[in-house]
Amino acid sequence: GESVGLHLPTLSVQEGDNSIINCAYSNSASDYFIWYKQESGKGPQFIIDIRSNMDKRQGQRVTVLLNKTVKHLSLQIAATQPGDSAVYFCADRLSGYSTLTFGKGTMLLVSP
Amino acid sequence: EAGVTQSPTHLIKTRGQQATLRCSPISGHTSVYWYQQALGLGLQFLLWYDEGEERNRGNFPPRFSGRQFPNYSSELNVNALELEDSALYLCASSSEVSTEAFFGQGTRLTVV
Repeated sequence: GESVGLHLPTLSVQEGDNSIINCAYSNSASDYFIWYKQESGKGPQFIIDIRSNMDKRQGQRVTVLLNKTVKHLSLQIAATQPGDSAVYFCADRLSGYSTLTFGKGTMLLVSP
Repeated sequence: EAGVTQSPTHLIKTRGQQATLRCSPISGHTSVYWYQQALGLGLQFLLWYDEGEERNRGNFPPRFSGRQFPNYSSELNVNALELEDSALYLCASSSEVSTEAFFGQGTRLTVV
């Protein structure tokens, strides 16, 4: 991913809705993907990860989908809550390297 | 178990000075990563240390440097500070090449 500009894409949802946050990555050699949540003034918090040999992984209220054909990653949050409001980043890692490359982030705003 | 800890939480320096930021990884983690997050932007990779050695470096000038100590803690040094260096500096650690990275809360560096 590549970070650009000062204006983050924003997704606004109502409490209880399902949210889908999308991310595109650029390198087909990436074999590991992570989603992070970052609240204002805090460091990124790990949400869920997935390896390239999988196309879906579920956690508590969250699901990550990986489409390697189109180099696309998505994070689905079920029954979104106001506490889910944050900036969400996807990151990928090249096979053989340990450095994570972050996408530009999406701001999720949840209204009560 | 303590998470990744960073110090100081806030740092104010004047242009031209040097800044030293510190990071203690999660116990048992040998890899430490440094990222810069300028206001409103994503995370830009700075440096990766593993087992005391610099493994990879991002696209930053040489005045950004660091080291990793035998206890796996790490320092990030920024020389000849410029106003544009004002950012949140995040440290993350992981236990081996293929596992997730956990972030600290960051050091907010302000250059005036």
